[in-house]
Amino acid sequence: GAVVSQHPSWVICKSGTSVKIECRSLDFQATTMFWYRQFPKQSLMLMATSNEGSKATYEQGVEKDKFLINHASLTLSTLTVTSAHPEDSSFYICSAANGREETQYFGPGTRLLVL
Amino acid sequence: GENVEQHPSTLSVQEGDSAVIKCTYSDSASNYFPWYKQELGKRPQLIIDIRSNVGEKKDQRIAVTLNKTAKHFSLHITETQPEDSAVYFCAASRTSGTYKYIFGTGTRLKVLA
Repeated sequence: GAVVSQHPSWVICKSGTSVKIECRSLDFQATTMFWYRQFPKQSLMLMATSNEGSKATYEQGVEKDKFLINHASLTLSTLTVTSAHPEDSSFYICSAANGREETQYFGPGTRLLVL
Repeated sequence: GENVEQHPSTLSVQEGDSAVIKCTYSDSASNYFPWYKQELGKRPQLIIDIRSNVGEKKDQRIAVTLNKTAKHFSLHITETQPEDSAVYFCAASRTSGTYKYIFGTGTRLKVLA
C-alpha cells in the first residue's frame, strides 16, 4: 500500500515553455501533497504544500506564479513550471500523506532538463 | 527558522561494521522523526521513524534513538552490507497542521566490501 506515482519520469523542454508534472496517490486518498525540488547531491527542498480543494502554501522564496500547483482531487496534484529556464532544471519529487498519520510517501520523481 | 543539521555528510565503513548518523533539530515542537534512504536517481524510501514519546526503536539491523532534551536523534545501522550504500536523510516534523518535514542535509554512506 501507499504507492505514489509521478508522470512524466523525465522531460526535456525548450526555454520559455511550460511543463506539467502529475503526482498521483494510487491506493489511498491524499489529503495533503508536497512538492520538493532536489539539485544534484543536495537535500530535498520543500517548495509547497497543497491540500485538496484549497490553495497551495508556498515556502519562502518559491514563486507561486512560476510554480503553479493544483490539487483538484484526493488522488491527484499537479505542478506546472511556467516559462521554464535552464536554472529550473532539477529533480522534482512529490509526496503524499493520508491525513491520519505523519508519514509522507514519495513519488519516483521527475527529472526536468530545460535547454 | 526551523532547521535540521545532519552529520557526517559522507561516511565510509567496512562491510560488517556499524554506521551512525546524527541529526539535531531546532524546533522544540517537533515530535515525529523519519529516516529515508535514497538511492541514486530514485525516490526516498522510509526505513524507520520514531515519535517523541519513545526513546528508541529498532527494526532488525536498523535502530533510531531520540534525545528530546538535547534535540538529537540518531540512526544506527549494524552489520552493514554493500546494499546499504545510499544517501540517508533525517527529517523532523510536527504531528499537527500540515505534517511538513524539515529535512537534514543528507549523509552519503558507502559500505566497502
